[in-house]
Amino acid sequence: KNQVEQSPQSLIILEGKNCTLQCNYTVSPFSNLRWYKQDTGRGPVSLTIMTFSENTKSNGRYTATLDADTKQSSLHITASQLSDSASYICVVSSDYGGSQGNLIFGKGTKLSVKP
Amino acid sequence: DAGITQSPRHKVTETGTPVTLRCHQTENHRYMYWYRQDPGHGLRLIHYSYGVKDTDKGEVSDGYSVSRSKTEDFLLTLESATSSQTSVYFCAISEGQVNTEAFFGQGTRLTVV
Repeated sequence: KNQVEQSPQSLIILEGKNCTLQCNYTVSPFSNLRWYKQDTGRGPVSLTIMTFSENTKSNGRYTATLDADTKQSSLHITASQLSDSASYICVVSSDYGGSQGNLIFGKGTKLSVKP
Repeated sequence: DAGITQSPRHKVTETGTPVTLRCHQTENHRYMYWYRQDPGHGLRLIHYSYGVKDTDKGEVSDGYSVSRSKTEDFLLTLESATSSQTSVYFCAISEGQVNTEAFFGQGTRLTVV
């Protein structure tokens, strides 16, 4: 079964600090890797999408990396803001996901940014 | 937000009653999906549609049915709600299946008592 594992489960940081969230996956065949931000009570919103050939992608203060050889990705948040408090979900897209569908979701990392 | 509307946003229902959740899109995307989100799990696929009247089962389809009679509407029905179906349900849409962006609705919080 395809799997996406995220760590840590939760994280508390002070406003202005940086943090890095991790994602490991065992998904085959691999198509692309996505990071989503999910605010409490809302649906996930895409931050980045990376294909096999991309190893870094930025979206403002968010920078995602992908190592397709080790099947690892990270999401780095720079100069955190209170509005960054959310769950961050790593999602791997597969050309064939079977009954799981083409999008395989991690359980998310819950980030809390404190003043 | 992409043009996706889920209704209702919140619902409390009794065990054994039928429930229908609606997803409406204004983007004319071909693919529509229903997921459920539960503590300790990633989003899990219930059913998806790849066109009008074309649907397929996902990982957790037992107890659910779907219908898509128009491009813009995708309905999820719980034939006889059970407490295990208490969850937050998300609809998603995408133009393609793999290499295109997926957009999510705001979610429907369903409580079965």
